[in-house]
Amino acid sequence: DTAVSQTPKYLVTQMGNDKSIKCEQNLGHDTMYWYKQDSKKFLKIMFSYNNKELIINETVPNRFSPKSPDKAHLNLHINSLELGDSAVYFCASSQFLAGGYNEQFFGPGTRLTVL
Amino acid sequence: AQSVTQLDSHVSVSEGTPVLLRCNYSSSYSPSLFWYVQHPNKGLQLLLKYTSAATLVKGINGFEAEFKKSETSFHLTKPSAHMSDAAEYFCVVSDQSNNNDMRFGAGTRLTVKP
Repeated sequence: DTAVSQTPKYLVTQMGNDKSIKCEQNLGHDTMYWYKQDSKKFLKIMFSYNNKELIINETVPNRFSPKSPDKAHLNLHINSLELGDSAVYFCASSQFLAGGYNEQFFGPGTRLTVL
Repeated sequence: AQSVTQLDSHVSVSEGTPVLLRCNYSSSYSPSLFWYVQHPNKGLQLLLKYTSAATLVKGINGFEAEFKKSETSFHLTKPSAHMSDAAEYFCVVSDQSNNNDMRFGAGTRLTVKP
């Protein structure tokens, strides 16, 4: 069974379009995340949602908007795509533990190419 | 805030020789530390984790790491490299300073030569 799944796996689109990437986790976790991995493999956190509240937003352009219809889903919507948005986007989930660590489980990634 | 530095962007070893991937961290609290591996065109997989228990941590595929507080290090080692170990490795730190957010290092690409 897939713990954290993302769709689509590959996404090729034109500059200026609006697109969404979906993420679902079946682990019962209460926190979900989106990361961007650039061409140099550097992973940077974009958002996290805990109990449907945004708790991290790392200077991401407002063209990017996370949408969480329920605790098991955190979708990433991107408006007016730009060339620099080309990257691999990873979804992750964890169970928040106060004062403890929150090991994250990652999805397989979505490779976005903007032409 | 916590941070992590992976000292080598690329490490190349011969098959059967030891692997050492270096990681130093910065944290104002008792950190949790992780190593993740990413094989080409694949997602991230947890190799091992340190969470204030034993300082020598054993992970999957024969990897292990030692938490050294005095050196603020969490280097990843393996006695004998296999071709299948070729991948990107990420050192990660997490502490309570930022909602236990995980901060990733820049990654180390491991190449294994036959």
